[in-house]
Amino acid sequence: EVQLVESGGGLVQPGGSLTLSCAASGLTFSDHYMEWVRQAPGKGLEWVGRSRNKANRYTTEYAASVKGRFTLSRGDSENSLYLQMTSLKTEDTAVYFCTTKIDSPDQMSWGQGTLVTVSS
Amino acid sequence: DIQMTQSPSSLSASVGDRVTITCRASQGIRSGLGWFQQKPGKAPKRLINEASSLQSGVPSRFSGSGSGTEFTLTISSLQPDDFATYYCLQYKTFPFTFGGGTKVEIK
Repeated sequence: EVQLVESGGGLVQPGGSLTLSCAASGLTFSDHYMEWVRQAPGKGLEWVGRSRNKANRYTTEYAASVKGRFTLSRGDSENSLYLQMTSLKTEDTAVYFCTTKIDSPDQMSWGQGTLVTVSS
Repeated sequence: DIQMTQSPSSLSASVGDRVTITCRASQGIRSGLGWFQQKPGKAPKRLINEASSLQSGVPSRFSGSGSGTEFTLTISSLQPDDFATYYCLQYKTFPFTFGGGTKVEIK
């Protein structure tokens, strides 16, 4: 069974930085695309970004709202996905979910989410 | 970016009712659409992929249809466990975009 566990959320001031982690188990991590999806309090879902697998050179895609500020990376030896967030804005306040490939025909997995609060 | 317009934003229905939710894409996305269910405080769950492919373990009362720009999620006979918020997602083109959500409440 695939398990995804996010960590690293917390309170950060506007303009600050934070790195989220997603620890994966139950899958061959380097074979899998991974994504981040976020949800602001009381709001809908927003796709944040994609990290492709090793075969696709770990290339990335980002939502326009985070491009240039957020960076996806992976540590395959640790089976972990990272989201480095810089120049944080109050509108980045959200629960951040780590997921497997969102358009895969196979069963899709989600983590439980980690809350990021950007506030002074 | 492709805009996904989901309607209605909320609805009230009774157990046993047939419920239909619609998503309209601002440009054609072929069948590149998924439907997700989310309950309060929980991660979303994907119900349907490729517009009409039911995910393993999802009850057959859920169905999806459409292609191009018009898509529907139908619950043939609403059950107590189905009261939740539903989202569509287009993944034909980056950036992927979700619809605004439909909250299904008990009448």
